[in-house]
Order: sequence, then C-alpha cells, then structure tokens
Amino acid sequence: GEDVEQSLFLSVREGDSSVINCTYTDSSSTYLYWYKQEPGAGLQLLTYIFSNMDMKQDQRLTVLLNKKDKHLSLRIADTQTGDSAIYFCASTFSGGYNKLIFGAGTRLAVHP
Amino acid sequence: GAVVSQHPSRVICKSGTSVKIECRSLDFQATTMFWYRQFPKKSLMLMATSNEGSKATYEQGVEKDKFLINHASLTLSTLTVTSAHPEDSSFYICSARLATQETQYFGPGTRLLVL
Repeated sequence: GEDVEQSLFLSVREGDSSVINCTYTDSSSTYLYWYKQEPGAGLQLLTYIFSNMDMKQDQRLTVLLNKKDKHLSLRIADTQTGDSAIYFCASTFSGGYNKLIFGAGTRLAVHP
Repeated sequence: GAVVSQHPSRVICKSGTSVKIECRSLDFQATTMFWYRQFPKKSLMLMATSNEGSKATYEQGVEKDKFLINHASLTLSTLTVTSAHPEDSSFYICSARLATQETQYFGPGTRLLVL
C-alpha cells in the first residue's frame, strides 16, 4: 500500500535551523502537507505544497519537494523552543476520497 | 478561518456504554469530514470518511457497527463508539475539508478512556 516515512526524532539547538525529511511512495499525490501536533492537541496545518512545485516558503518555513525522488523536507529557520512538537508529513492518496496518508511523525526537541 | 471543534475534549466512561463525539466546522461548510484514531506516540489512522447526507466509507478493519458515523449537516459529524471497551481507549481526531479544496483542517481531538 501507499506509505509515508519520516525519521522519528530530531534534536536542535535554539536558533539553529531544523530540517525534517519525509519520503512517500504514491507518485500521483497531488498535495503534500506538513502538520504540527503539540502534546495532547490536534493537528495544526503548517503548510502544504502542490506536486508541481519545487519549493514553497512561508516566513520561517521552507518546503522542498523532489518529485523524482519522492522526497519532501521542511526547514524551520531560527528554531525556537515553541517549535518543539511532533511534525507529521502527509500525502494525498490518489485512490480516492482525498485520503491523507500520514507518516509516523518526527519529534522535534529544541534545547537551549 | 477554517476552524474545527470537537466535543467533548475528554471523556471517561464505563465499559459497555456508548459515547458520542461531535465534530463541527465553525466557519465553513464541510462536505467531507474524516475520523482518525491515534494511539500513544503513533501516527493517525484513518477510520472513516464521511460525506454529508450519505453513508460513511469505512477503512478496512474498522467495524462500522461499532463506530457509528453520522454527517447530517454541512457543519456537523458525529462518531458514536458503541458498547465501548478498554481497547477503544484512544485519541480520536476529526478533520473537515472545504468543498472546493483538498486541504483538511483538524479538530483538537477527543481523548476517550474506557474503564
């Protein structure tokens, strides 16, 4: 079946950049998303990229998409302690219903 | 914009009882809502897709008689966990999609604990 994979853990120093990587298998995915989940909370949509784009920047967030390699990354510039959370990559499933296929989530820990 | 609420945020119930969870899109009309389940430190598992005015589409392995979904209006979907058992304890999250977009907006989740 379709799959989305992410590294499980990332630790960065406050002020550094964080890069969270994701790979997906469905080459027909039209949209790819990054969601943020803080402890005990739902998912907050951070950003998304359409499959015909290579890059999207939104303030401190930069999304890079390599469609050939089916690789997606999220870069957070000037990482702050408030960025500590779990980040989920998700791709739309081309098989119908606009389903989202989620990765396992990357836990980002920001330390002083 | 695109705010989704869930109620209740937390519920504790006895084994054998039924629990209803509401998902509302507050400032938009959602033709499609999704129900997910999340186990501790795990990713989200899609349970079912709910389209307004029609029967929900359940994912493989999800019991439709146990997890009843109703999507009676463009702003409200409900998930009823019938005859709940301890193994149903989980974090249930809904999402809603605008009719003209693919993006899903998520609710804050409902933590269910069955004793």
